[in-house]
Amino acid sequence: KAGVTQTPRYLIKTRGQQVTLSCSPISGHRSVSWYQQTPGQGLQFLFEYFSETQRNKGNFPGRFSGRQFSNSRSEMNVSTLELGDSALYLCASSYEKPAHNEKLFFGSGTQLSVL
Amino acid sequence: GENVEQHPSTLSVQEGDSAVIKCTYSDSASNYFPWYKQELGKGPQLIIDIRSNVGEKKDQRIAVTLNKTAKHFSLHITETQPEDSAVYFCAASVMTSGSRLTFGEGTQLTVNP
Repeated sequence: KAGVTQTPRYLIKTRGQQVTLSCSPISGHRSVSWYQQTPGQGLQFLFEYFSETQRNKGNFPGRFSGRQFSNSRSEMNVSTLELGDSALYLCASSYEKPAHNEKLFFGSGTQLSVL
Repeated sequence: GENVEQHPSTLSVQEGDSAVIKCTYSDSASNYFPWYKQELGKGPQLIIDIRSNVGEKKDQRIAVTLNKTAKHFSLHITETQPEDSAVYFCAASVMTSGSRLTFGEGTQLTVNP
C-alpha cells in the first residue's frame, strides 16, 4: 500500500505570494491533518479534515487554509506569504472511526522557503 | 490547551546501551500517547503508541511506560543500534478530538558505534 504522498517536495516563493500544497492520503484513510515543522516551534498542528469537513483547527492566522476533496485528497493554501512561513509542511492521514483517534501516518513533507 | 515537555533534547549513547526519553503532559484528558521517529529528510514515523488504559507496552527493543497520576510517559530503547540515530518525538492527544496531536520538542538520539 502506498504511503502518504505530498507534492511538491520543495518550493521557493517570495514574500506576498501564495502557495498551494497537495496531499494524497493512504488509500482508505478518510482523515487528513496538516502540521507545520520549524526548528524554533517544532511540530504544530494546523488543521484536520474528515469527510471534506474541517474538524479541528490550530492557532494559525486565517492566511492558512485547507480543503479536502471527496476522494480524501487534501490541499492547503497559504496566502500573502511571510518569511516566517518558511517551514516543512507535513500531511498525515489516518483511518478514522468517528470519535476515535487512530494512528497517524505522515508524508515526507513539502519544504517551503520564503525569500 | 495541552502542553507536552520532552527531555533530554539531545542524547548520545554507545551501541548496545539503553536510551530513555521522558515526556510530561498537562491535560489530564489526554488519553493517547504516540512516539515518532524522524530521520533526516523524512516525515515522522510512528514507532509505538499507548493508550491511557495501559501502563506499559513493548515491541521488540522498544517499550513505552505511562504514569497517568504523574502525567508522564517514557520511551525506552534497549540494545541500541546506529540505525536508531534520529530525532524522536513524543505526542499526546484526546482520543475524541480527532487527530490533533500536541508534540514535544524532540530528542536527537545519537548511537555511537
